[in-house]
Amino acid sequence: KAGVTQTPRYLIKTRGQQVTLSCSPISGHRSVSWYQQTPGQGLQFLFEYFSETQRNKGNFPGRFSGRQFSNSRSEMNVSTLELGDSALYLCASSLGWLTGPDTQYFGPGTRLTVL
Amino acid sequence: QQQVKQSPQSLIVQKGGISIINCAYENTAFDYFPWYQQFPGKGPALLIAIRPDVSEKKEGRFTISFNKSAKQFSLHIMDSQPGDSATYFCAAGTYKYIFGTGTRLKVLA
Repeated sequence: KAGVTQTPRYLIKTRGQQVTLSCSPISGHRSVSWYQQTPGQGLQFLFEYFSETQRNKGNFPGRFSGRQFSNSRSEMNVSTLELGDSALYLCASSLGWLTGPDTQYFGPGTRLTVL
Repeated sequence: QQQVKQSPQSLIVQKGGISIINCAYENTAFDYFPWYQQFPGKGPALLIAIRPDVSEKKEGRFTISFNKSAKQFSLHIMDSQPGDSATYFCAAGTYKYIFGTGTRLKVLA
């Protein structure tokens, strides 16, 4: 079974621009979660989508948004980029059924650099 | 109630030694405790996980010890190898979980 894929792997943008990141979950997984990883803050939860609906949301500003498509693929958008948005953005997929532990499987991440 | 505290931040161990990473949680409703391993340039990968109905789980050189009353759990890496050098994250939760801040482990050859 193919793992979680993320595209692109690397991005360089300048302040004020916007960016869209893509995540394809493991086949059969309906939940996609996004995380921001920085050296000082660890893994910070952005949001989770399940069946095309945002189910959970972390404490990030509205510049960070996402969506999920009917095939469970997800995109994350960051508008008006700031220098502090430079980070590794990780996508994790899981089955998503809230009947027990929902193990998350991570993609390789997208490294975003904002200049 | 929603924090997971992980220590130490970094750890240096000699080859063949035991690496120990500790985590503490606050929410007594948490019932799933996974550990993830992350190599540079890669996403975190599930290493081992435990439910609170057991006090210990072992998979190869990796062991989770769980103390429900103290709300603490730890990862022990026996016979640590240079290839174990990575960042380790603990997590705790119910159907979703919260991650610790990570421990950077370096095993010296």
